[in-house]
Amino acid sequence: KQEVTQIPAALSVPEGENLVLNCSFTDSAIYNLQWFRQDPGKGLTSLLLIQSSQREQTSGRLNASLDKSSGRSTLYIAASQPGDSATYLCAVNGGATNKLIFGTGTLLAVQP
Amino acid sequence: NAGVMQNPRHLVRRRGQEARLRCSPMKGHSHVYWYRQLPEEGLKFMVYLQKENIIDESGMPKERFSAEFPKEGPSILRIQQVVRGDSAAYFCASSPRTAGFYEQYFGPGTRLTVT
Repeated sequence: KQEVTQIPAALSVPEGENLVLNCSFTDSAIYNLQWFRQDPGKGLTSLLLIQSSQREQTSGRLNASLDKSSGRSTLYIAASQPGDSATYLCAVNGGATNKLIFGTGTLLAVQP
Repeated sequence: NAGVMQNPRHLVRRRGQEARLRCSPMKGHSHVYWYRQLPEEGLKFMVYLQKENIIDESGMPKERFSAEFPKEGPSILRIQQVVRGDSAAYFCASSPRTAGFYEQYFGPGTRLTVT
């Protein structure tokens, strides 16, 4: 059974810092992995999608890497801003049933 | 291109009533997924549907919950005889094809409160 864990559960950093969020999964047989952002009381915004054959994806200040064999993904945020404050979720797609298995999330607070 | 739409955004029901949650996928998307986010818990998969077919309902509670995605119109998640434990945010996502290779795009969610 696929399990997805995110570390740390919460993170507070001063504005301008670079930071790394971690995601680990127990079953390496995945089709892809998505990183999402969720603001309080809001829906999910897709940030990056990494296919199983890819090693990383970049979008602006965000960079996500994937190491399938070790069951790990990281989301790197450069030059953090207060507007980056949100909960960040990773989700893996095992493919067979097309459902996303979500991690527990990392609550990020960027202090001005 | 409008995103995934869900309505209502907020729904209040008394115990024992029925709740109907609607989801209109993005234009051109024929795959719909429902997820539930209970208070202080993560998002959990409920059901995956294509037009007129339920593909995977392994995450659906055995009783009181049902889902459909008719040939015409939105997908509906129906909860009969709601209980307080059904209070949660229900999210719908859509994708153009088999999600193994395509992103799932999420709607804003319906927040159900059972009083």
